Parts: sequence; C-alpha cells; structure tokens
Amino acid sequence: DAKTTQPPSMDCAEGRAANLPCNHSTISGNEYVYWYRQIHSQGPQYIIHGLKNNETNEMASLIITEDRKSSTLILPHATLRDTAVYYCIVRLNNDMRFGAGTRLTVKP
Amino acid sequence: GAVVSQHPSWVICKSGTSVKIECRSLDFQATTMFWYRQFPKQSLMLMATSNEGSKATYEQGVEKDKFLINHASLTLSTLTVTSAHPEDSSFYICSAREIGFVETQYFGPGTRLLVL
Repeated sequence: DAKTTQPPSMDCAEGRAANLPCNHSTISGNEYVYWYRQIHSQGPQYIIHGLKNNETNEMASLIITEDRKSSTLILPHATLRDTAVYYCIVRLNNDMRFGAGTRLTVKP
Repeated sequence: GAVVSQHPSWVICKSGTSVKIECRSLDFQATTMFWYRQFPKQSLMLMATSNEGSKATYEQGVEKDKFLINHASLTLSTLTVTSAHPEDSSFYICSAREIGFVETQYFGPGTRLLVL
C-alpha cells in the first residue's frame, strides 16, 4: 500500500470548515483513499473513501487531485465533537494500516 | 450502518493469567476480521488478520502463541492474551470486513486491558 503523509496537528475554529490534507504521491491506479477518525479512547470511525472522483456524504467531503497524489478531507462546519485524530489511508484490497494521522483540535 | 462490538470494554487482570476478548459483527457477516493494538499516544498497529475457518495471519513481531485468535463463525472472532504481563497492557481494537464489500472495514469500540 502507498504511504501517506499528514500534518501532525491542526486547529480549527468551531463552525468553520476544517480542511485536512494528505499526500500519497506513490498511490497506484487501483488504490482507494480512505479517511477514518479516532476520538479519544474509542475505536476508529469510518468517514469516507474514494478512488478518483470527489465524494461527499453526511459527514464530510473528499477532494482528490486529478493526479491522485494528494487529497483533502473537508468537514464543512466543524464542531467541538469533531476533535479527534484523523487518519488518511491508501489501500487496495488488504488490511487498513494506520499512520500517525492528524490531530484536529476544534476550538470554541 | 455496520456495527462491530467488543466485549469486555475494559478488563483488569493479574500477571500470568489469560484474557479473552470477543469481537462481533452485529448486523453483517464478516469473512475477515482484524486485530489491532494501540499503546498510549501511538497509532493503531495491526497484530493479525483472521479469516473465518482458517488460521490467523500474524504480523511480524507478534507472537502467535501468546495472542491466540479464533474466528469460528462469520460474526465472531476472539483474541486471547495468554500469560499476560504488564507490557501487554494496551487498547485492543478489532475490525471486520463485510462479505462482498471489501472496500470498507468497520471498527469495534476497543477493549482496554490493564495487567497488574
């Protein structure tokens, strides 16, 4: 699986959009981009995934660049409950392997 | 949505005893389940992959005789930490992949183990 690079931490003001970047420059053509988050002392929560096209669901939007070498997870209106570690994972068909992720802190 | 449960949510045991952790997929069948371990302030580390009806595949450095995994049905996998020691104290998390839907894994809430 391709490796990913994420900033270790980010802050966001409550009510504003949180944009979390992820670099995956070695991604191959059939590998998906997944985003999970982990709130303190809980199991990871699935957020969204995509292959080539941008995706949106009730939680977030995923923007994948045309060359697929990077992506951005967008939380449109961050709340205090969105404070968590966000993991960007690239995989094909096998298991999910987690990097260090980005610790997002939403501040009032 | 797909729900994965774990039992117990936390356990305290004495050094040298064995502890069993259950992982269940509540509303779907899972041919493949995964076990992770997470130490404080660290990321999740994959320990092993279990497929229903077959032996688990362990990651390098994970002792298969210490961490016994059984995946006897399509909805249940168990992890037994044998002869637990204080260094085994950790947050153990399972995940499951639904049959026919290889794209997404759903994670359980985790089990916190403290070995005294």
